Amino acid sequence: EAQVTQNPRYLITVTGKKLTVTCSQNMNHEYMSWYRQDPGLGLRQIYYSMNVEVTDKGDVPEGYKVSRKEKRNFPLILESPSPNQTSLYFCASRSGDSDTQYFGPGTRLTVL
Amino acid sequence: EDQVTQSPEALRLQEGESSSLNCSYTVSGLRGLFWYRQDPGKGPEFLFTLYSAGEEKEKERLKATLTKKESFLHITAPKPEDSATYLCAVQASGGYSTLTFGKGTMLLVSP
Repeated sequence: EAQVTQNPRYLITVTGKKLTVTCSQNMNHEYMSWYRQDPGLGLRQIYYSMNVEVTDKGDVPEGYKVSRKEKRNFPLILESPSPNQTSLYFCASRSGDSDTQYFGPGTRLTVL
Repeated sequence: EDQVTQSPEALRLQEGESSSLNCSYTVSGLRGLFWYRQDPGKGPEFLFTLYSAGEEKEKERLKATLTKKESFLHITAPKPEDSATYLCAVQASGGYSTLTFGKGTMLLVSP
């Protein structure tokens, strides 16, 4: 089944404790993105990647890092999480010849 | 700066009561306008992409239309299973660029 998977689905952590949210897609897609969704603000893009080793900032990149060492994986790294990064995070992917983005199931992160 | 405004924020319909959701946008050259459906606790699910004014696309009870300033998502004879949040997003032209999303319209269809 074609899908985007994220882990963990739920995470509660404390300020300053480094964490990684993994994202994997099995569709051989070139493009991958990370979004955060907050009440009243909608979905905002954090980072995106056009292919292996090619990443760029979205609208709200501060406090986040990403890497794309393999085509299927695009982890989101929070080096020193803060409470304002409490949010619902989505990973998405699409192929190079299509505008259709496929979203993962989401990761709900709480930073205390 | 690209902007997307969706209205209404919430809409309650009776089953079978047709209506439309609005998405107004400003973008520096439109590459595409996207409609997604999002169920509670789930990721957005792709519905349509529209590329140019005058374009229309249909899927079951949904029909999306596009003008130079806005898009409409028409829902004909909705059913309770159409209840969801509908998201609109735009992508500017010029290579790969970020998607700018609206805040969504929460639709509730009562039996």
